[in-house]
Amino acid sequence: AQSVSQHNHHVILSEAASLELGCNYSYGGTVNLFWYVQYPGQHLQLLLKYFSGDPLVKGIKGFEAEFIKSKFSFNLRKPSVQWSDTAEYFCAVLRPNTGFQKLVFGTGTRLLVSP
Amino acid sequence: DAGVTQSPTHLIKTRGQQVTLRCSPKSGHDTVSWYQQALGQGPQFIFQYYEEEERQRGNFPDRFSGHQFPNYSSELNVNALLLGDSALYLCASSLAVYEQYFGPGTRLTVT
Repeated sequence: AQSVSQHNHHVILSEAASLELGCNYSYGGTVNLFWYVQYPGQHLQLLLKYFSGDPLVKGIKGFEAEFIKSKFSFNLRKPSVQWSDTAEYFCAVLRPNTGFQKLVFGTGTRLLVSP
Repeated sequence: DAGVTQSPTHLIKTRGQQVTLRCSPKSGHDTVSWYQQALGQGPQFIFQYYEEEERQRGNFPDRFSGHQFPNYSSELNVNALLLGDSALYLCASSLAVYEQYFGPGTRLTVT
C-alpha cells in the first residue's frame, strides 16, 4: 500500500541538541512534500514544503528538510532545538499529477524538548 | 485576513446520533478538504469539495457526507455515529497551489 512512514514516534532532546526526523514515502512519480507541526493546543501549521527545484528547502523557525529522490525520503532537520519546538510533527505527501489535492500523512513524531 | 475557521470547537454525541460540522475556508480559497485525526494518528483524508461537488473521497463509509456552498464554506455530516468516530475533524482549504491551510478542528466525542 502506498504510504508515508515516520520512523520515530517519540523523540526526547535537550535544548541546543540537533534534530533529525525521518520521513519516507512509497509513491513513484512526481510528489509534493510537506512538513506540518502541531503545537500543544494549536492547529496544524505548515513548516515547509517541497514542490521542485533545490532539494534542500528551508522553512520557518530554522527548520529545513532535504528531499532525496533516490531514497524516497524527506527528512526534517534543525541544528539546535529550543523548548518551544516541543510539538508533534507530521510529514505529508501530495501527488499533484493525480489532479487532486489529497494529502497523505505519516503517523507523526512527538518531540519533547527539555530545558 | 481570517484563516480557516471551524465550528463547533467541541461536540459530544451519543451512538446512533447524527452530527454536522462546519468550515469556512481561508479568504480566496475555493477547495475544502476534510480529514479525520484519531488520537495518536496522522490526519486521514475523508473527502474534498470543489465547485460544490465532491471531487475525491477517501476510505470512509457513506455515513460520512458533505456539502459545499456557493461561498465555498462546507459542512461534514456523519450519520449513525459510532464510538470509533470519536476524533478531531480537520478542515483544510486551498487554491490550486497544493498548499493546504488547516483550521483548528472540531473535537467530536461519541459516548
